Order: sequence, then structure tokens, then C-alpha cells
Amino acid sequence: AQSVSQHNHHVILSEAASLELGCNYSYGGTVNLFWYVQYPGQHLQLLLKYFSGDPLVKGIKGFEAEFIKSKFSFNLRKPSVQWSDTAEYFCAVTDYGGSQGNLIFGKGTKLSVKP
Amino acid sequence: SAVISQKPSRDICQRGTSLTIQCQVDSQVTMMFWYRQQPGQSLTLIATANQGSEATYESGFVIDKFPISRPNLTFSTLTVSNMSPEDSSIYLCSVSRRGSRTEAFFGQGTRLTVV
Repeated sequence: AQSVSQHNHHVILSEAASLELGCNYSYGGTVNLFWYVQYPGQHLQLLLKYFSGDPLVKGIKGFEAEFIKSKFSFNLRKPSVQWSDTAEYFCAVTDYGGSQGNLIFGKGTKLSVKP
Repeated sequence: SAVISQKPSRDICQRGTSLTIQCQVDSQVTMMFWYRQQPGQSLTLIATANQGSEATYESGFVIDKFPISRPNLTFSTLTVSNMSPEDSSIYLCSVSRRGSRTEAFFGQGTRLTVV
């Protein structure tokens, strides 16, 4: 069965620090990969997605993620975080070619950015 | 994109009672899903809501406990039946369009506390 692992439960950074959140998945086939963000009191929003092509994908608000197939990883990065990036971040995967669209989520990483 | 309205946003319920959660989408979508997010846990798929037929449940979830309706392409309900404190969770409605390169959109969730 597919699974997604997020290595960090809670990350605390100061503003302007660089961010990298780890995500690994287990699945033998081709996958679609996503990062979702949930700001305090708001619903889940898509941050970025990878379907195919360039393994370095750029999302909203300066976030990017790199798909490394050999490592089954899809780490999220941002060179300089802001206080407004305080949120919970979820990595998710679904079958490529599957028409269901149902997602397997990691447990989430809470990011706290100190002003 | 899709805008999802979920009601109620939160509720406190007595043990043994049932709660029905509504999910309304602003456009016709192919796929509708219900997820559960228990405290400190990842989002877990409960079932896929199928229009005009019985929902497809994931392992560990049954229709008697979580009956689901989907009378049309824009509306679905999830009922949490005979509740116990273990059912205290956030329940989320999600939608996507059928296809291999689809992303999911989420409602704001229903925070349920069972006392």
C-alpha cells in the first residue's frame, strides 16, 4: 500500500531562514505528488504539484519542490521564510493514471516562523 | 478551481447521537471524497461518494457507521452515526475532476467533538 512519510513534526524558524521539509513516499509505480498548506483557521490549499516533466516544480508564494525518483522523495523548499508562512504543510501522493484522485497524505509538518 | 462549502463548521455532540455533515460545491465535479483528520494524525480517506449509487468505502470504514449520500454532482452528505468520543475529529469534504492529472480541492472541514 502507498504511504507518505514527513520527517519533521514541528519546525521552528526565524524569518529569512531557509526551509526544507522532507517527504518520502512508498509506491512502486508512477505517482502524482502534491504539497498542501493549511494556514491557521483556513482550509487546505494546494501549494504545488508534480505530474511529470521537470522534477523541480515551483508553487505559490516562493515555494518549490524537487522530485527525486531514485530517493522516492519530494522535499519542499523555500529560500527565505516569512512570518506569514506559519502553517501546517502536508505532502500527498496519488496514482498517476488513476482516475480516482484520492490522496494519501503524510502526517503533516507544523511550521512556526518567529518574527 | 472549486469552492466548497461545508456545514456545520463545528459541533459538540452527545455520545450515541448522529451528525450529518453537508458538502456543497459551486460547480459540477466528478469525484467527491470524505476524509477524517484525527488529532495529531494525517488525513485519512473514509470513502468516495458516488453519484446515484452507494459510496465506496476504504478499509476500516463501513456504511453503517458513515452513511454517505450524493444525490447530484454538487452535493454530498456524510453522517457519523452512534457517535463515541473516538469519533472526535475534523471531517473534510474534497472534490476533484476525473483524470490522471487532477488536483483535489478541500472544504474548510467540520470539527466534531463527542462528549
